[in-house]
Amino acid sequence: EAQVTQNPRYLITVTGKKLTVTCSQNMNHEYMSWYRQDPGLGLRQIYYSMNVEVTDKGDVPEGYKVSRKEKRNFPLILESPSPNQTSLYFCASSLTSGVRQTQYFGPGTRLLVL
Amino acid sequence: AQRVTQPEKLLSVFKGAPVELKCNYSYSGSPELFWYVQYSRQRLQLLLRHISRESIKGFTADLNKGETSFHLKKPFAQEEDSAMYYCALIGYGGTSYGKLTFGQGTILTVHP
Repeated sequence: EAQVTQNPRYLITVTGKKLTVTCSQNMNHEYMSWYRQDPGLGLRQIYYSMNVEVTDKGDVPEGYKVSRKEKRNFPLILESPSPNQTSLYFCASSLTSGVRQTQYFGPGTRLLVL
Repeated sequence: AQRVTQPEKLLSVFKGAPVELKCNYSYSGSPELFWYVQYSRQRLQLLLRHISRESIKGFTADLNKGETSFHLKKPFAQEEDSAMYYCALIGYGGTSYGKLTFGQGTILTVHP
């Protein structure tokens, strides 16, 4: 089944404790991205990747890191999480970034930073 | 910088009434615009894209470059249309090549 998976789905952590949220897609998609969803602010793009070893900042990259060493995986890294990073995170992928791209979203990861 | 604005956070209509979800954008080049929908407890999914000029689930959206708008419309709302709707823009100019920007979202509630 073609899908985007994220792990973990729920995470409670403390300030400063490094964490990684994994994202994997099995559709051979080139384009992958991370978003956070916050009430009243909608979806905001954190980072995106046009292909392997190519990453760019989205609208809210501060406090996050990403890597794209292989096509299927696009982990989101919080080196030193802070409470303002408490949010619902979505990973998405699409075949390309072209005009007919359709973003396929993962199920979301709900993060609470104490 | 590219920006997408959805002025209504909440929109309530009765079943059978017309519905219009507003979306305005700011972008210096030629944008590609989309509407995404998130039903309760489901993943965000594409509803329609402007380039296809298609109608999905009775919804249509026309890109108005003069007014920089991409409003989503449906002539007769159904209860199953209740969801969160996001307008989105992807840019292909300069440093924002491939960057996808979403609006703040509009929660549509269709009452019986």
